[in-house]
Amino acid sequence: NAGVMQNPRHLVRRRGQEARLRCSPMKGHSHVYWYRQLPEEGLKFMVYLQKENIIDESGMPKERFSAEFPKEGPSILRIQQVVRGDSAAYFCASSPPSSQGYRAGELFFGEGSRLTVL
Amino acid sequence: KNQVEQSPQSLIILEGKNCTLQCNYTVSPFSNLRWYKQDTGRGPVSLTIMTFSENTKSNGRYTATLDADTKQSSLHITASQLSDSASYICVVSAWNNAGNMLTFGGGTRLMVKP
Repeated sequence: NAGVMQNPRHLVRRRGQEARLRCSPMKGHSHVYWYRQLPEEGLKFMVYLQKENIIDESGMPKERFSAEFPKEGPSILRIQQVVRGDSAAYFCASSPPSSQGYRAGELFFGEGSRLTVL
Repeated sequence: KNQVEQSPQSLIILEGKNCTLQCNYTVSPFSNLRWYKQDTGRGPVSLTIMTFSENTKSNGRYTATLDADTKQSSLHITASQLSDSASYICVVSAWNNAGNMLTFGGGTRLMVKP
């Protein structure tokens, strides 16, 4: 059972370009979370999605950022018109559905996508 | 507002020594609490997961405790090794009608020196 897969692992963009980060959750997982981490800082919540639904996007910047988790395919975090301040590591995590009892809260992280904006 | 506070923010210990990291939370309704280890440049990896009814759980040299009454958890590392140098993150889970809402602590950065 493959873990949470994120790609690309490293992405370089120039200011004004778009960045697309992909996350394939573990098999059977229906919950996906995105976090941003600046160097030497903790993980900051961005968005929580279930299939085709955004559950909580309270951590997402109001502009330029969007996320989706379609019925088929990976979850996508999209950053439009990137700026230097967007440079960070973006981590995705997934967890099983609530039907799996207490283990439904178990969160598995990917290795992250490191975005560098020049 | 749900909050998770970790202390200390950073810690330096000598190899072979023990240490204890603290996590205090105000999260409701509480579902479970997890400790993660995050090595530099890597994704967090789960160390332990504890539900309301569990007081202690061990994973090798890592032992987590949970006091649901005082809403406190600790992570004790025994006989530390250089490879224990990492950030340790406490995450508390609360289920509501929308789903699984997670609250992260700010982490404790541990450095083990030879």
